[in-house]
Amino acid sequence: AQTVTQSQPEMSVQEAETVTLSCTYDTSESDYYLFWYKQPPSRQMILVIRQEAYKQQNATENRFSVNFQKAAKSFSLKISDSQLGDAAMYFCAYRNYGGSQGNLIFGKGTKLSVKP
Amino acid sequence: NAGVTQTPKFQVLKTGQSMTLQCAQDMNHEYMSWYRQDPGMGLRLIHYSVGAGITDQGEVPNGYNVSRSTTEDFPLRLLSAAPSQTSVYFCASSYITGGGIDTQYFGPGTRLTVL
Repeated sequence: AQTVTQSQPEMSVQEAETVTLSCTYDTSESDYYLFWYKQPPSRQMILVIRQEAYKQQNATENRFSVNFQKAAKSFSLKISDSQLGDAAMYFCAYRNYGGSQGNLIFGKGTKLSVKP
Repeated sequence: NAGVTQTPKFQVLKTGQSMTLQCAQDMNHEYMSWYRQDPGMGLRLIHYSVGAGITDQGEVPNGYNVSRSTTEDFPLRLLSAAPSQTSVYFCASSYITGGGIDTQYFGPGTRLTVL
């Protein structure tokens, strides 16, 4: 069974600085997707970024980028120029490619605080 | 375009009561799913559906029923609520592509407390 591990329960960053959140996963599959979701205090789950395993290029979305290391099964999220609105829980998630279940496997999350 | 909507936002039940959590999406997504989120844990899949009339169990289905009579709606029924079902419930939806289930978009969640 696939598993996702986020080893940092809490992280803190100064406004305007850069922070990296870690995620490792375990799978025997070669094709899969990886995601980072943000959950602010409003509770809404918001997609931050998505990576297809077959793509070697790391995904980027504005201030958010990932470092995808397939061989190491590592998928870290870098947030540049951190803003107060980035404060939230961040969840790393895995999903197999294909199939119909669509089951997202989530890590336990990292709580990010942003200091002004 | 409202996306994925859920009602109610909050609910308190007594042990043994039944209720239905509502979920609707207006994006014409084939795939819909229900997750629960417990403290200190990520989300876990309860049930899912790949189209009207088709449902299946996820990781933690016990105590819950679903049906899908239309593309838009996917209600989750608690038959006899138990304190272990105290949780936050999320509905999600997505397209189905050649690569399987596409990126899932989540509703705002329902916080359920069972006393």
